[in-house]
Amino acid sequence: AQKVTQAQTEISVVEKEDVTLDCVYETRDTTYYLFWYKQPPSGELVFLIRRNSFDEQNEISGRYSWNFQKSTSSFNFTITASQVVDSAVYFCALSEAQRGATNKLIFGTGTLLAVQP
Amino acid sequence: ETGVTQTPRHLVMGMTNKKSLKCEQHLGHNAMYWYKQSAKKPLELMFVYSLEERVENNSVPSRFSPECPNSSHLFLHLHTLQPEDSALYLCASSQDPGPNTDTQYFGPGTRLTVL
Repeated sequence: AQKVTQAQTEISVVEKEDVTLDCVYETRDTTYYLFWYKQPPSGELVFLIRRNSFDEQNEISGRYSWNFQKSTSSFNFTITASQVVDSAVYFCALSEAQRGATNKLIFGTGTLLAVQP
Repeated sequence: ETGVTQTPRHLVMGMTNKKSLKCEQHLGHNAMYWYKQSAKKPLELMFVYSLEERVENNSVPSRFSPECPNSSHLFLHLHTLQPEDSALYLCASSQDPGPNTDTQYFGPGTRLTVL
């Protein structure tokens, strides 16, 4: 069965610190997609990244970077030089690409990141 | 313009009321979704619509009734809700419902409180 685990419920850091949010997933499929979303206090889930299971290259986008390790079923997210505006709940999600199936996202429980000034 | 909008942003209703949540997407997508986000629980997929046709209903109680009159609009009609239905209701859209797993884009949600 599909499952996404975000073991870190809450993380608190001081501005300019680097922080890594962990995501571990379970799936029996060989083809799947992984996502990260950010949910600020306003409530909207903001899409950050989508990766497919065949692309293990790490990705960097500004202060954000993602480390995809199929060997450990992990898709971790690092924020470098954190800022107060990074404070939000971050969700990792998994979707399997099943023929004929609908686009179903399985979400983790989220990690609340608090960046203190 | 914001891609996915939801109204109202906040709603308080009694258990005997009837109300509706509205979602509109301005992205030209063909699929729309309703999710429920309760405290301390993962987001739960409720309904999926593809080209105005319901393609998924995840065992949602009949007191929640979705409606998709066109590919840009999605409604969630509520009646005789229970206090445990209080949650953030999120709407999302994607180009297609699958199976190639298009990215879903979310609205800001409606915070629902049932008294």
